[in-house]
Amino acid sequence: QKEVEQDPGPLSVPEGAIVSLNCTYSNSAFQYFMWYRQYSRKGPELLMYTYSSGNKEDGRFTAQVDKSSKYISLFIRDSQPSDSATYLCALATGANSKLTFGKGITLSVRP
Amino acid sequence: DADVTQTPRNRITKTGKRIMLECSQTKGHDRMYWYRQDPGLGLRLIYYSFDVKDINKGEISDGYSVSRQAQAKFSLSLESAIPNQTALYFCATSTGVNEQFFGPGTRLTVL
Repeated sequence: QKEVEQDPGPLSVPEGAIVSLNCTYSNSAFQYFMWYRQYSRKGPELLMYTYSSGNKEDGRFTAQVDKSSKYISLFIRDSQPSDSATYLCALATGANSKLTFGKGITLSVRP
Repeated sequence: DADVTQTPRNRITKTGKRIMLECSQTKGHDRMYWYRQDPGLGLRLIYYSFDVKDINKGEISDGYSVSRQAQAKFSLSLESAIPNQTALYFCATSTGVNEQFFGPGTRLTVL
């Protein structure tokens, strides 16, 4: 079992839809949870960062961590065509550890 | 000006050639990373460095070497390129685990 699993997609939704992106993980030592967004022909950029459990909201984006289920989610409300990108989850065990990335899922929001 | 730059942006080379990819940053970060990205495999860590005197192997270091010439410069070398090293290569920097800043990527093709 890989340390981090992410649905491979791709995912296509109409504009205005609520999008749910998920990752599961096997290592209970993960404490830092991130979502990166990568536009075509660009490097990834940090979208959301969460330490330990709970929810974090930033505008139309909500990141959720359920450590008991080893499951993290990113919700996008009122999705826009500009949200079309690849989304990668990234996890780390400690402040000096490296990131473990999910494989990424490509989202397309249709106008 | 970009904070993390990579040169070249695109490179086509032949099997057996030595290749160097260069990364420079103006963010003043101590930590630097090299990743490769392949379709369906996500981002995989090749090497990372937490300061000028620190070099660590990532999950796929075979066939690669690195040099940290200064805090701002981190180079990746392929001593004898092979076709399965064809990929998109990213350099990244960080101060800690909270956020990594990625360069624009180098698209390498090995024929």
